[in-house]
Amino acid sequence: DTGVSQDPRHKITKRGQNVTFRCDPISEHNRLYWYRQTLGQGPEFLTYFQNEAQLEKSRLLSDRFSAERPKGSFSTLEIQRTEQGDSAMYLCASSPPPGQGYEQYFGPGTRLTVT
Amino acid sequence: AQTVTQSQPEMSVQEAETVTLSCTYDTSESDYYLFWYKQPPSRQMILVIRQEAYKQQNATENRFSVNFQKAAKSFSLKISDSQLGDAAMYFCAYRSPPRSGYALNFGKGTSLLVTP
Repeated sequence: DTGVSQDPRHKITKRGQNVTFRCDPISEHNRLYWYRQTLGQGPEFLTYFQNEAQLEKSRLLSDRFSAERPKGSFSTLEIQRTEQGDSAMYLCASSPPPGQGYEQYFGPGTRLTVT
Repeated sequence: AQTVTQSQPEMSVQEAETVTLSCTYDTSESDYYLFWYKQPPSRQMILVIRQEAYKQQNATENRFSVNFQKAAKSFSLKISDSQLGDAAMYFCAYRSPPRSGYALNFGKGTSLLVTP
């Protein structure tokens, strides 16, 4: 049983460039979450998918951010026109279908540095 | 919005001793879930323990136990027989019932140092 995986683990980009991150949840989990964690803070919720449907979005998810989960398996998070304030750890988590558990299991994260 | 407060930015404990990390939260819900997560340096977030608000019995997982005081909105984590591998950031998290959303709301964390 593999855990949640994320790719890449580290990304350095220049301001104004677009970046895309990938998350592969635990295979039986149909619920997927994205969080952002800045230094010295706890993770902050960005968005939630159940299967392929995006059911919840935080107001932190500005127009430059878009997330998809086209086939209800892996998910991508894209940031357009990156800004220095986007530098953070981006965490993905997954949880089992409703009724089978509510814990969220986290991946190792993608650390983004915008120069 | 629910807020989670961890008032101890740093804590220190000697190996084999017991330490308690504090967490308080604010909510108007009666049915919710609480969690403690551990994040070792440069490693991923690991679930330590969970508590359903409707359960009066405090959760226990081996050396980890919680003191859940619903009326006081307090959810502290006790680590017994501390080990060097317990050194990490510990985050308290709150989750609303499904009708109110699915997000985890995290506190700012407590950095736990374990000394030999």
